[in-house]
Amino acid sequence: KNEVEQSPQNLTAQEGEFITINCSYSVGISALHWLQQHPGGGIVSLFMLSSGKKKHGRLIATINIQEKHSSLHITASHPRDSAVYICAALYSGGGADGLTFGKGTHLIIQP
Amino acid sequence: EAQVTQNPRYLITVTGKKLTVTCSQNMNHEYMSWYRQDPGLGLRQIYYSMNVEVTDKGDVPEGYKVSRKEKRNFPLILESPSPNQTSLYFCASSSPSGSRGYTFGSGTRLTVV
Repeated sequence: KNEVEQSPQNLTAQEGEFITINCSYSVGISALHWLQQHPGGGIVSLFMLSSGKKKHGRLIATINIQEKHSSLHITASHPRDSAVYICAALYSGGGADGLTFGKGTHLIIQP
Repeated sequence: EAQVTQNPRYLITVTGKKLTVTCSQNMNHEYMSWYRQDPGLGLRQIYYSMNVEVTDKGDVPEGYKVSRKEKRNFPLILESPSPNQTSLYFCASSSPSGSRGYTFGSGTRLTVV
């Protein structure tokens, strides 16, 4: 099965720092999702990308199709950004097999 | 409000006692799926459904059943739960190609003793 690799696994930073989380996938995809999971457990969809870059508030997601790589950036990080961030790839062939998930990046932002 | 509703949120049960986790969506999505999340393993797909009466196995289907009799509902059935099915479960729905993103339920934390 196609895989999704995320790094780092764990990240602790100080409030205000610029955060980057990386995601690599193995073969062609139709879309790449970034998800956020807070300590309470619920999963929220942040971005869906098939090319280029998207921005929402302090969050920026980019994807490089040629390099099979995506990044999630957080500018001016805040303790409320502490969560697990999950990259998930929707592989070409449609939704038949659903999403393949990375193992997540556990982010802690300290005040 | 567009949402996926899962119930219950928490469940403790004993080995072998049949249980059902319900999942309902109000977005008229064709595609629905179930995942389990375990420490160190991440999210893994259990079953998915492309539409009413169409279901198929994901990566870890053993010990689970599903049904899709109506478009909005996709229950997960554990006929004879075992302790290795202790996990956090998520239901999700999307449009057929996933092109409009996925909506996840709030999760069900299941403990089998």
